Amino acid sequence: GENVEQHPSTLSVQEGDSAVIKCTYSDSASNYFPWYKQELGKRPQLIIDIRSNVGEKKDQRIAVTLNKTAKHFSLHITETQPEDSAVYFCAASQSNTGNQFYFGTGTSLTVIP
Amino acid sequence: GAVVSQHPSRVICKSGTSVKIECRSLDFQATTMFWYRQFPKQSLMLMATSNEGSKATYEQGVEKDKFLINHASLTLSTLTVTSAHPEDSSFYICSAIGQNTGELFFGEGSRLTVL
Repeated sequence: GENVEQHPSTLSVQEGDSAVIKCTYSDSASNYFPWYKQELGKRPQLIIDIRSNVGEKKDQRIAVTLNKTAKHFSLHITETQPEDSAVYFCAASQSNTGNQFYFGTGTSLTVIP
Repeated sequence: GAVVSQHPSRVICKSGTSVKIECRSLDFQATTMFWYRQFPKQSLMLMATSNEGSKATYEQGVEKDKFLINHASLTLSTLTVTSAHPEDSSFYICSAIGQNTGELFFGEGSRLTVL
């Protein structure tokens, strides 16, 4: 089955700096890679995703890159703000309906004002 | 995006009782829903895949007789924690895949505390 690894587990950055979180996956059949942000006690919220036919996707301060050959994908947050502080999860899936999503172990991001 | 609603958000029960958690897809039909368990400061652990009209598929190590899952309609899946014990205390979250995009949408989560 799929195995998703995520690093680092914790990350502290100064406000305004960039944050990068990296994930690797093992199953070359995975073709959909979402990133979720989870604030304490709340549900995970999708913040950005990328499909295997694309190498990079950007949405304002958030970007995701995918390297299919190396089987890794990364989340980039620029100009970080205190409200970016949360736990971020990566996931990998085969995007056919009903397929499971496999999650990374999470990264706790703290943005220091 | 698609909306998934989960109820109750918090529940406290006595040891030995059973608790039912509901997960509804409000504006789409979900043939498949997923149930996760999350411990503090840890990732989402998939418990089972709930399939409409058929038996749930449980992950290794998850007791199917303890965590009963029923997916009786295309918009509702329920998780019943039977004979709950304090070690069952956790945050339980359901999710469903949106019909057109393949995106995964989560319910609000249910925090179970077993006394």
